[in-house]
This record gives sequence, C-alpha cells and structure tokens, in this order.
Amino acid sequence: QKEVEQNSGPLSVPEGAIASLNCTYSDRGSQSFFWYRQYSGKSPELIMFIYSNGDKEDGRFTAQLNKASQYVSLLIRDSQPSDSATYLCAARISSGSARQLTFGSGTQLTVLP
Amino acid sequence: KAGVTQTPRYLIKTRGQQVTLSCSPISGHRSVSWYQQTPGQGLQFLFEYFSETQRNKGNFPGRFSGRQFSNSRSEMNVSTLELGDSALYLCASKQVTGTGELFFGEGSRLTVL
Repeated sequence: QKEVEQNSGPLSVPEGAIASLNCTYSDRGSQSFFWYRQYSGKSPELIMFIYSNGDKEDGRFTAQLNKASQYVSLLIRDSQPSDSATYLCAARISSGSARQLTFGSGTQLTVLP
Repeated sequence: KAGVTQTPRYLIKTRGQQVTLSCSPISGHRSVSWYQQTPGQGLQFLFEYFSETQRNKGNFPGRFSGRQFSNSRSEMNVSTLELGDSALYLCASKQVTGTGELFFGEGSRLTVL
C-alpha cells in the first residue's frame, strides 16, 4: 500500500463546475497535509496546506481533512481552464526521527472551456 | 527574494557515466530535499539535508548520494548511470520551523542514453 494515494484520474470538468480531488494516507501520525499544483513542464507550487480537521478555504479552493478517515480532499469551485494541471497531495510522514513530505502520484485535471 | 535555483536545467548522459546536480535554496532556508520525478513513479523522495547533515533518506540505491555545504547549497550525485535514472530531479528548500512547506526549484531534467 502506498503511503499517499490519489484518484489517478484523469479528471475532466466543464468550465465553471466544481472539481473534486481526493487523497488518502496511511500514517495515522501524519499532522500536515499539502496540495501542490504542477503545470506541464513546471515544478510543483503550493496551493494550500491543512493540519486541522474540517475545511479550510482560500478563494476558489477548499481543502478538507478528516483524520479519522485518513482522508484529504481539494475542491476547486468555478473551475477555469487555467486550473488544468496535475494536482499533488502530500503528507508529512514520520520516518524514524525525521518527517518528510511524501507525495501521491497526482491527479491530472482538465477544465474544458 | 530569489527562489530555489537548480543547475543545470537539462543534461544528457550515457549509461555508466556519473552526474552532479546543484541546488541553491531560498535565502534563509537551511533544509534542502531532493526528489526524483518520473511519469510512472511520480515524486519519489531521495534525501534531505540540514546543517550539512543528511537527516533522512529515501529508498534509492547507494549510487545516489548528496551533500550540503555550509552556505546551505546542496549537490546530488548519481554514479554509474542507468537508463532508468532518466527523470526530472527536483530540489526543494524549506524553513526549519513553520508549516513544513517545500519550495521547489525548476528541476534538472536528466536523460540517460
């Protein structure tokens, strides 16, 4: 079992719709979770981080965390073609005495005009 | 504030050769992590350095090594290159305290022929 799993997609939504991206993690000790966006040929850039159960909103983006279910999601409201990218979920996983960011394999999102 | 800088951006090597990649973190960031990104495996953690010491290491063979200098700049080396080492190598830096957010460089794309 991979430590961080994402629905691999690809996911296509029409412009203006809500895109829902999901992620599960295996380490119950994980405390912090991150969503990165990666455009083709570019490096990942942070969209949001979340560490408390519940929802965290930032503009059109909402991150949701449910530690009991070990589940993280990202909702993108009013999706735009510029949102088309690969979205990476990451969790700070304990590894010995250190914590590292472990990434899921990513979900490719296409927003259709 | 300058971002994470990686050099070289692109390079082509042949099997059996070795390669050294360089990373300059954001000013004030003392932690540097390296990731390998391939289409099949996604982002895989290589290692993390802090204060010139390797803090954490991923599941890669000993051909992959790294180091960090007193100015926090880091290098990674891959010896005896194999075709499967073709990938985008991403360096990321972070502040030691804080959310644990990683800031990525643009990457070094290595092609092994």
